[in-house]
Amino acid sequence: LAKTTQPISMDSYEGQEVNITCSHNNIATNDYITWYQQFPSQGPRFIIQGYKTKVTNEVASLFIPADRKSSTLSLPRVSLSDTAVYYCLVGLDNNAGNMLTFGGGTRLMVKP
Amino acid sequence: DGGITQSPKYLFRKEGQNVTLSCEQNLNHDAMYWYRQDPGQGLRLIYYSQIVNDFQKGDIAEGYSVSREKKESFPLTVTSAQKNPTAFYLCASSTGLAGDSYNEQFFGPGTRLTVL
Repeated sequence: LAKTTQPISMDSYEGQEVNITCSHNNIATNDYITWYQQFPSQGPRFIIQGYKTKVTNEVASLFIPADRKSSTLSLPRVSLSDTAVYYCLVGLDNNAGNMLTFGGGTRLMVKP
Repeated sequence: DGGITQSPKYLFRKEGQNVTLSCEQNLNHDAMYWYRQDPGQGLRLIYYSQIVNDFQKGDIAEGYSVSREKKESFPLTVTSAQKNPTAFYLCASSTGLAGDSYNEQFFGPGTRLTVL
């Protein structure tokens, strides 16, 4: 059962800003939104996390509207090394406690 | 250096054999996870553990078993009951159960299992 929806793939060019949007209509009140980056044959690594409004760190920004049913990861001025798969995760409540689901992710291809 | 390790990096087994994948962390994290990733696909949760001697099934637990006898270790056994065991297996850990609050998951380098 898919809990988040992201575009399957995106293309960009070096130096451009990339925005990847994730839909999470069933987000619960206590859930945080987390984004990870994965390179081939490696484990994912944390990029950014937020609860509402805007969060910014040294690598990305995360925009979350008031209804929190979606979020947008923004990567400023991408380079070739940003070519990777990006996953949006939302914590879920179930009888066994919170659990995370990784969807299929968005494959970002940055071209010269 | 603190981190999470998985061994071996590549593993080959014959069909019908059980195989155990190692995962160790020295981050003092309470929660640990096992994921499976097939080519071109996202990660699917196999099992997770919030505390020693306790673990919960994820989305695809059938054909797998785990144990959590020590805080640092969370081995995964791929049994002969798993129909398609060839995949990339990733172990992760976090201070608390990820997704509830600021609980970043730290991933190991993965083990690529090939069943011949």
